[in-house]
Parts: sequence; structure tokens; C-alpha cells
Amino acid sequence: SQQGEEDPQALSIQEGENATMNCSYKTSINNLQWYRQNSGRGLVHLILIRSNEREKHSGRLRVTLDTSKKSSSLLITASRAADTASYFCATASNDYKLSFGAGTTVTVRA
Amino acid sequence: DAGVTQSPTHLIKTRGQQVTLRCSPISGHKSVSWYQQVLGQGPQFIFQYYEKEERGRGNFPDRFSARQFPNYSSELNVNALLLGDSALYLCASSPSGTSVETQYFGPGTRLLVL
Repeated sequence: SQQGEEDPQALSIQEGENATMNCSYKTSINNLQWYRQNSGRGLVHLILIRSNEREKHSGRLRVTLDTSKKSSSLLITASRAADTASYFCATASNDYKLSFGAGTTVTVRA
Repeated sequence: DAGVTQSPTHLIKTRGQQVTLRCSPISGHKSVSWYQQVLGQGPQFIFQYYEKEERGRGNFPDRFSARQFPNYSSELNVNALLLGDSALYLCASSPSGTSVETQYFGPGTRLLVL
């Protein structure tokens, strides 16, 4: 079973717009990570936010974490065609595995 | 620096056959994890190995097995293949495999079972 659930399942935006996707999870976590996957290939790590952090930035990415609501959001600002991909949140608890959601597919239109 | 490498990139097998997938971690990383990603879903954890010992196992049948070698590379074996084993198999490495670390993924091996 999947720990995280992303919302929406799919997102289509115009180049230059912002894209926001959300992730909800069920159990307590050590950290939450966001990954990008292009065309069914390998996962690229985007950002890791620890359970005691509330917000983190990396370039055009902004991630928030609300442990009381067991939710996280990923914001991509000023989107580009190259941002077209599937985005996954993954939670890490005190065991050794990452638990992934089903992902959000983002399409950036030129 | 080279990232995580996996071989082969694609593989076609028939039901009942056996398959071996290979993974080489990033230099200096001692932990390797395997994930299965069925089309349209997120990756599911199969195994983690650290220092040649199995540290964790996901909810997969005994047909799935793995091992890690002294150079920290790893093999995933799947016996008696079923159609449902068709998936992208991802390998990830990290320095010690703890939950606080980022895991770095390889490009995956796409397995098709006919």
C-alpha cells in the first residue's frame, strides 16, 4: 500500500505559470522527499524536508510541510517546458524504506 | 562522478522464466535498495541491503530475492515470472541507507513479461 497520496493526479499549465501539488500521508515521518520522473525513467531527487522543518526552497521549488495535518505541498514557480514530468512525494519513517505516492503528472504547455 | 547504473535497460521474458537485474551504486555508497514501479503507480519498496546484509524487505513473494556483493553492487532475482511482474525496476543507493538520507536512483530496468 502507498503511504502518500498526491493531489491532483494530473495538472496542465501554461509556461510561466506556477504549479502546485499536494501530498498527504498517514503515519509519522522522519522526513519527506520530492522526486521528479521524466517519461518513466529514473527518479531525480528534488528536495528533502525534515519533520522539524516547515518550509524549504531550492531554486524555483518551494516545499512546505505541515506535520499536524500530515501534508506537504510542492510549488514550482515560473514553469518551463522542461518541468513536464511526474512528481512523487516519498515519506521516510524510522525504517529504511521510502513510501511513495502515486504521483502528479504535470504538463507544461508552450 | 558516475551515478547509479543499472543493467540491462530493457528486458523481455516469458512467463515462468527467471530474470537477474544488476545495479552499481554511487562510489562510496554502501546501501542499495530495490523498488518496483508498475505503470501508473509510484515505486514500491522491495529490498534494502547494507554491507551485504538484508536490512529490510517489502511485501513481495519469495520469488523475489537479492544479494549485495563486497563491492556493494547488487543483483535482484525474480523467479517464475508472472505477467504482473512487468514493471520498471529501480535501484537506489545511499551512504548508509538510513531514513535521514537522500536516496539516489538509477535509470531503471524495464521488464516486460509476455
